[in-house]
Amino acid sequence: DAKTTQPPSMDCAEGRAANLPCNHSTISGNEYVYWYRQIHSQGPQYIIHGLKNNETNEMASLIITEDRKSSTLILPHATLRDTAVYYCIVPLPGNQFYFGTGTSLTVIP
Amino acid sequence: KAGVTQTPRYLIKTRGQQVTLSCSPISGHRSVSWYQQTPGQGLQFLFEYFSETQRNKGNFPGRFSGRQFSNSRSEMNVSTLELGDSALYLCASSLIGQVTIEMNTEAFFGQGTRLTVV
Repeated sequence: DAKTTQPPSMDCAEGRAANLPCNHSTISGNEYVYWYRQIHSQGPQYIIHGLKNNETNEMASLIITEDRKSSTLILPHATLRDTAVYYCIVPLPGNQFYFGTGTSLTVIP
Repeated sequence: KAGVTQTPRYLIKTRGQQVTLSCSPISGHRSVSWYQQTPGQGLQFLFEYFSETQRNKGNFPGRFSGRQFSNSRSEMNVSTLELGDSALYLCASSLIGQVTIEMNTEAFFGQGTRLTVV
């Protein structure tokens, strides 16, 4: 199973892009990368997922390197409501999402 | 479309008691997973049910059990409660269940049940 590594914390100025990195150097060729976030005491919220190609939705963009060993979640215009813990996950079969410690993102006014 | 519903939202129990938590998945979703979140251990996978069968189980003692009904609703039970079982218990539902890693589907989480054991 692929383990992920994320920085423990990051700050971002309101209105600027937040770029959250994730390393998953042991990922195998058919494993997906998922991103979730959790705002204090709420259930995790799905953001985006991808395999090889870059992905974009209404919440964020996901950039996956060509060797798939790392990825970056981009929140294009961070707002105060984006302050949360962001988790990068490579799930196991059977919807087994093993969450690590994630990155605590603080958006600063 | 209603989201994942967990009941109750808050619960206080005493040591040695047992507790049952309920999760109603999004309509049409057949996979339900359960997670425990504590400040010390973070978010940990408990088990996953698909079509009334437990397919995967995390590293938790046998005091933690669950089941899924034919309508995909799920319950988890914790017997002989310990102080360390105090946690936020989350469930997540997915459309089809990830049989293989190629068959990916996103999981949608409920707001959780906060259990306090005193």
